[in-house]
Amino acid sequence: AQSVTQLDSQVPVFEEAPVELRCNYSSSVSVYLFWYVQYPNQGLQLLLKYLSGSTLVKGINGFEAEFNKSQTSFHLRKPSVHISDTAEYFCAVGSSGSARQLTFGSGTQLTVLP
Amino acid sequence: SQTIHQWPATLVQPVGSPLSLECTVEGTSNPNLYWYRQAAGRGLQLLFYSVGIGQISSEVPQNLSASRPQDRQFILSSKKLLLSDSGFYLCAWRGGRAWNEQFFGPGTRLTVL
Repeated sequence: AQSVTQLDSQVPVFEEAPVELRCNYSSSVSVYLFWYVQYPNQGLQLLLKYLSGSTLVKGINGFEAEFNKSQTSFHLRKPSVHISDTAEYFCAVGSSGSARQLTFGSGTQLTVLP
Repeated sequence: SQTIHQWPATLVQPVGSPLSLECTVEGTSNPNLYWYRQAAGRGLQLLFYSVGIGQISSEVPQNLSASRPQDRQFILSSKKLLLSDSGFYLCAWRGGRAWNEQFFGPGTRLTVL
């Protein structure tokens, strides 16, 4: 069974400051990890994904995440946030079954303050 | 390119009424299709997934059902809505060689009164 824990439900941060959104996972099989972003009343958009290879993954909008197998973490970072980054962020782990399901965390609301 | 549509965008229904939400995908064939529900202040809960026409798997027991009458059409239904069915319903698809990556529709906001 797989699970994802997003440790912070809300993260307020000032504009141009750095931010880290934390994600820990548990999985008994090979790990495939994702970060999605959701703007109000919209669907989810993929930010980045880790399938294999380099543990530092770069995504869209200046975000990056680092896969840490020993700590079972996949934290999302951005060195300088903008007002437009205000959204909800979801971490997810993928299964290797035929349906290739995703298990999502409960989400982190990032609010960028002026 | 592929696109995914959901309708309606918003819906207000009384308790006990039926429900039908539709999701269609364009530009791909034989996708895996998924229905999620997002309740207020909570994460995404996988409700159903389908790997082919007529093949539906349910993840949680509930008041809802799903059907896949065509390759790129996925329908979420209920015979009698409950207050607890309120939420934001998202359809997603996965296909091709994109390992596990799912693409989401714009969602349907359902309010049951």
